[in-house]
Amino acid sequence: GENVEQHPSTLSVQEGDSAVIKCTYSDSASNYFPWYKQELGKRPQLIIDIRSNVGEKKDQRIAVTLNKTAKHFSLHITETQPEDSAVYFCAASRKGNEKLTFGTGTRLTIIP
Amino acid sequence: SAVISQKPSRDICQRGTSLTIQCQVDSQVTMMFWYRQQPGQSLTLIATANQGSEATYESGFVIDKFPISRPNLTFSTLTVSNMSPEDSSIYLCSVEGGDSYNEQFFGPGTRLTVL
Repeated sequence: GENVEQHPSTLSVQEGDSAVIKCTYSDSASNYFPWYKQELGKRPQLIIDIRSNVGEKKDQRIAVTLNKTAKHFSLHITETQPEDSAVYFCAASRKGNEKLTFGTGTRLTIIP
Repeated sequence: SAVISQKPSRDICQRGTSLTIQCQVDSQVTMMFWYRQQPGQSLTLIATANQGSEATYESGFVIDKFPISRPNLTFSTLTVSNMSPEDSSIYLCSVEGGDSYNEQFFGPGTRLTVL
């Protein structure tokens, strides 16, 4: 089955700087890669996703890149703000088998 | 995206008892998923529930321990049976939705503590 690894497990960034979280996956048939943000005591929220037919996707301060050959994808947050502090999870799945396999999570702390 | 609710939001239970968690969606969805999130951990899929068929369980999860019902396209239940303290977790349902396939959205979760 699919295995998703995520790094780093914790990340502290000065407010205004950029944060990068990286994930690798094992199943070459995976073609959908979402990122979820989970604030303390809240449900995971889908913040951005990418499919294997594109290499990069951007939504305001958030971007995701995908390297299918290397089987890794990354989340980039620019101009970080205190409200970006949360746990971020990457995940992978493939069409026809919609179950998500999650990474282990990254606790992001933005330092004011 | 769909509006998803879960009941109860939290519960404290005695070992050996069972708890049934409900997941309600405001629109019809084909696939519903049940996840477990142990304290400080990631999300692990328990099973996939399709209306009109038996749930599909992931490795390490069995129907006797986590029976699931899916009576219609807007509702599902997960029962945690014969509970032990190791079952203390957050249980979340999710549904597919959004503009295209694979997008999943989560319910608010049920925080279960087993004493």
